[in-house]
Amino acid sequence: SQKIEQNSEALNIQEGKTATLTCNYTNYSPAYLQWYRQDPGRGPVFLLLIRENEKEKRKERLKVTFDTTLKQSLFHITASQPADSATYLCAFDQTGANNLFFGTGTRLTVIP
Amino acid sequence: GAVVSQHPSWVICKSGTSVKIECRSLDFQATTMFWYRQFPKQSLMLMATSNEGSKATYEQGVEKDKFLINHASLTLSTLTVTSAHPEDSSFYICSASVSGTNNYGYTFGSGTRLTVV
Repeated sequence: SQKIEQNSEALNIQEGKTATLTCNYTNYSPAYLQWYRQDPGRGPVFLLLIRENEKEKRKERLKVTFDTTLKQSLFHITASQPADSATYLCAFDQTGANNLFFGTGTRLTVIP
Repeated sequence: GAVVSQHPSWVICKSGTSVKIECRSLDFQATTMFWYRQFPKQSLMLMATSNEGSKATYEQGVEKDKFLINHASLTLSTLTVTSAHPEDSSFYICSASVSGTNNYGYTFGSGTRLTVV
């Protein structure tokens, strides 16, 4: 069955540095992959979507890459700020369905 | 942007009672809404897909008679947890797709924290 893994449960980083989060998937070839931010006690908020034919996508300080050979997506936050502290989730569509399958998330803490 | 409003944000109920959670799309029509459940430090798990005017599609292992879903209009879907038990305590989240997945992703409600005592 399809599986999606995010490299670490928690990541601490110094303010101003670039945070890099990893999402790996197996037994599936998603047409696109999405990244969400979730704050404690809140629903996820959509950040970026990248398609299988796109290598990279950017939005302000965010950058996402999609390597279909490695079956991996990287999510970067440049010039990280304490306000970026949250859990970040990657997700892709399930086969033949119009819904999302989520990774377990990485809890990012940006230290001032 | 598209907004999904979810009510209540938290609820405490006694074991054996039923609880209804509402999910509304405020500025768009959602023919399909999704209900997720999230346990502490775990990811979102899809419970069911709610389609306007038809029966919901439940994921394997989710009891349809326990988790009643009604999607009577294009802007409202409800999830009723019937005869709730402490093990049903969880964070329930609904979502809707605004325009397929064409760069817009999915819009999520703010979630409902259910505690069954």
